[in-house]
Amino acid sequence: EDQVTQSPEALRLQEGESSSLNCSYTVSGLRGLFWYRQDPGKGPEFLFTLYSAGEEKEKERLKATLTKKESFLHITAPKPEDSATYLCAVIHQGAQKLVFGQGTRLTINP
Amino acid sequence: DGGITQSPKYLFRKEGQNVTLSCEQNLNHDAMYWYRQDPGQGLRLIYYSQIVNDFQKGDIAEGYSVSREKKESFPLTVTSAQKNPTAFYLCASSYTGQGAATNEKLFFGSGTQLSVL
Repeated sequence: EDQVTQSPEALRLQEGESSSLNCSYTVSGLRGLFWYRQDPGKGPEFLFTLYSAGEEKEKERLKATLTKKESFLHITAPKPEDSATYLCAVIHQGAQKLVFGQGTRLTINP
Repeated sequence: DGGITQSPKYLFRKEGQNVTLSCEQNLNHDAMYWYRQDPGQGLRLIYYSQIVNDFQKGDIAEGYSVSREKKESFPLTVTSAQKNPTAFYLCASSYTGQGAATNEKLFFGSGTQLSVL
């Protein structure tokens, strides 16, 4: 059974303080790993898809990386508007549905 | 603008009552999904549909029902059999449920918060 574990559950940073969020996964035959951003009371918004170990994707202050066991979402010099819950999800070969982690709630203080 | 519309934003259910959550999309997507989100937990799949007039149970289908009579619409009914319905419900869609590389990118609606009176 596919499993996704995100850490930490919550993270508070000062504006400009860089850090990383972790997504550890157990899946037989990874087809893709996904990162979403969710603001309070809203639906998740797609950020990245990663397909193979060593792959990296960037968007503004965010950079996602992938190994065979985990993915990191690096946030560089964050701003208060980066505050949100970040969700990780995986899908394995032959599957029709994603498996989501429980999310990391990120707060950036000005 | 294309997107997914969920309604209502807030919904209250009385004991023994069935309630229906609406989900409409104009993205021309084949696949549609219903997720439940509880505080501190990941999204859990209730039902999904890859094509009109066909749908499959997800991980937590008990106490819920769906229909897919039109490509654009995928309503979710929370029945009285669902004893703990309070949660944030999210509808999503994707290009295809056929396993292509593009199909896993989900587009989400803005959600419906269901509470019990």
